Amino acid sequence: QVQLVQSGAEVKKPGASVKVSCKASGYTFTSYGISWVRQAPGQGLEWMGWISAYNGNTNYAQKLQGRVTMTTDTSTSTAYMELRSLRSDDTAVYYCGRDYVSDYWGQGTLVTVSS
Amino acid sequence: QSVLTQPPSASGTPGQRVTISCSGSSSNIGSNTVNWYQQLPGTAPKLLIYNNNQRPSGVPDRFSGSKSGTSASLAISGLQSEDDADYYCAAWDDSLNGYVFGTGTKVTVL
Repeated sequence: QVQLVQSGAEVKKPGASVKVSCKASGYTFTSYGISWVRQAPGQGLEWMGWISAYNGNTNYAQKLQGRVTMTTDTSTSTAYMELRSLRSDDTAVYYCGRDYVSDYWGQGTLVTVSS
Repeated sequence: QSVLTQPPSASGTPGQRVTISCSGSSSNIGSNTVNWYQQLPGTAPKLLIYNNNQRPSGVPDRFSGSKSGTSASLAISGLQSEDDADYYCAAWDDSLNGYVFGTGTKVTVL
């Protein structure tokens, strides 16, 4: 069965960086991309970007251009999302999903940014 | 500042039919397919409808989607207590060159 398992919760200080992982199983990793979506406390869903697991091509949300980097490691079927220069409004649950439509989702990773 | 607008809330009693609207523009719903997600409290979203009106395996046929012009709708018929959740529409936006989510609708089963 398809599964996306994310890394654990993180607490970071403003200005720091965070890297969240998403390990895929149950399907051919390189046949699909991975999307990243975040949800601030009590707020809606925000698409952050997408990466092709086949060739590494990326498409980032305009709002996050320059602060976010998405990568994949095909040897371990793992996708990564790194967000730099963290601010308090980056506090959110971060989700990975399979491809743009995200027919499967990870369990979410809470990232808290606080001094 | 989402480009897809949904009503903040909707409600109904068990067995009723509830409809949620999603209003967009020519750059998103008007030219691309619409997907719908259900998010139960404290859990990750779940794909409910894709390509405007297709249900993934395992999604009950009580859920149906439609699209007309720059708007889309999700209908829940035979409302059940477990349908108490947040619902989001989403579509690709050609102008933003990105995927956009709706503002979300909280469905309450009375």
